[in-house]
Amino acid sequence: GAVVSQHPSRVICKSGTSVKIECRSLDFQATTMFWYRQFPKKSLMLMATSNEGSKATYEQGVEKDKFLINHASLTLSTLTVTSAHPEDSSFYICSAAGNSYGYTFGSGTRLTVV
Amino acid sequence: QKEVEQNSGPLSVPEGAIASLNCTYSDRGSQSFFWYRQYSGKSPELIMSIYSNGDKEDGRFTAQLNKASQYVSLLIRDSQPSDSATYLCAVLNQAGTALIFGKGTTLSVSS
Repeated sequence: GAVVSQHPSRVICKSGTSVKIECRSLDFQATTMFWYRQFPKKSLMLMATSNEGSKATYEQGVEKDKFLINHASLTLSTLTVTSAHPEDSSFYICSAAGNSYGYTFGSGTRLTVV
Repeated sequence: QKEVEQNSGPLSVPEGAIASLNCTYSDRGSQSFFWYRQYSGKSPELIMSIYSNGDKEDGRFTAQLNKASQYVSLLIRDSQPSDSATYLCAVLNQAGTALIFGKGTTLSVSS
């Protein structure tokens, strides 16, 4: 089956610093990757959609200068949370599309900003 | 804003019973529908996908789709305590560019 690797799985950072989260499709080429955020007991909220080689499309209310997304290759997308603040603490999940398996999720990254 | 609606629950069923999870969606042009299971603190995992009206069965799971009513459901037969999780309904938007999730229904199966 399709596998999407996401890391780190858990990160704690100081307020004001930046954190990079990587999402890799291991056995297929992901033409499109999605980044979601999930607060406790809430549903997944789509943050942005990225296509390889082009700028990401951000959902309304998501600051593109704060959440930098790079999809430089068909197997790698990164999300960088810049100048993180405690309210950015959340569970971030990537999803990759581009094969017959549909949409495959990474294992998620638990970000805690202190 | 396209929406996917689910009852948040919790839905409680005894072991061995049938659990019925429901979902409605607003984007009439949607063609692809998915059910994901998510355990606490974990990423969602795909259970079923359905694209055509009617029923689709896979083991103990049956997905049902009614595009005219904009309704999709998931039945879990012979529910097990290990089925206790949050079930997310997801709908691919008409453009095929984004997967929109409902808030999820929490299922609790008691032994």
